[in-house]
Amino acid sequence: GQQLNQSPQSMFIQEGEDVSMNCTSSSIFNTWLWYKQDPGEGPVLLIALYKAGELTSNGRLTAQFGITRKDSFLNISASIPSDVGIYFCAGQLLGGGADGLTFGKGTHLIIQP
Amino acid sequence: DVKVTQSSRYLVKRTGEKVFLECVQDMDHENMFWYRQDPGLGLRLIYFSYDVKMKEKGDIPEGYSVSREKKERFSLILESASTNQTSMYLCASSRTVSGNTIYFGEGSWLTVV
Repeated sequence: GQQLNQSPQSMFIQEGEDVSMNCTSSSIFNTWLWYKQDPGEGPVLLIALYKAGELTSNGRLTAQFGITRKDSFLNISASIPSDVGIYFCAGQLLGGGADGLTFGKGTHLIIQP
Repeated sequence: DVKVTQSSRYLVKRTGEKVFLECVQDMDHENMFWYRQDPGLGLRLIYFSYDVKMKEKGDIPEGYSVSREKKERFSLILESASTNQTSMYLCASSRTVSGNTIYFGEGSWLTVV
């Protein structure tokens, strides 16, 4: 299937720092989704983006749908210990059906106090 | 809030056993999915269903089957469990008109010995 390149694979940061991660593809997407997964749990939806150029915030999280429709980024401001986890992007391909979601491999966020 | 409930969080089964993983969603979603998640491989789609009694193969259907007799319930069946099916299994659901934003259950950890 299609590949999403998510980077970085892992991040080691200090509490209070800002975080930025992104997903890119050679394909055009009409939906971008960002999820967070805590250890041993299922992914939880953080932000959904449906329009090119859309910038959406959810508390300290901000995500944008790239204007080329081939990328998206997620920023976390002023990180706190509970932000630790794995963050996944997912994209719905243009013209894709119900099964058309493609997932990134995840960014593992580790916060040092 | 959308709720996707997986009946078993942790299972240990023997090689050759038949295994049932049950999933129920309470938001009247048309689409339901089963994924497996393995380190380094990310999320891989096993099967999905876009309506009652309908099913479609995902990327890795071999060794699995599914059943959707009611709209809210989607079952994953391992006819004869093997050790390479040890994994985290995630159920998800979505509404077709919502841009395929999918919501995950908490996951089922299956160990086959």
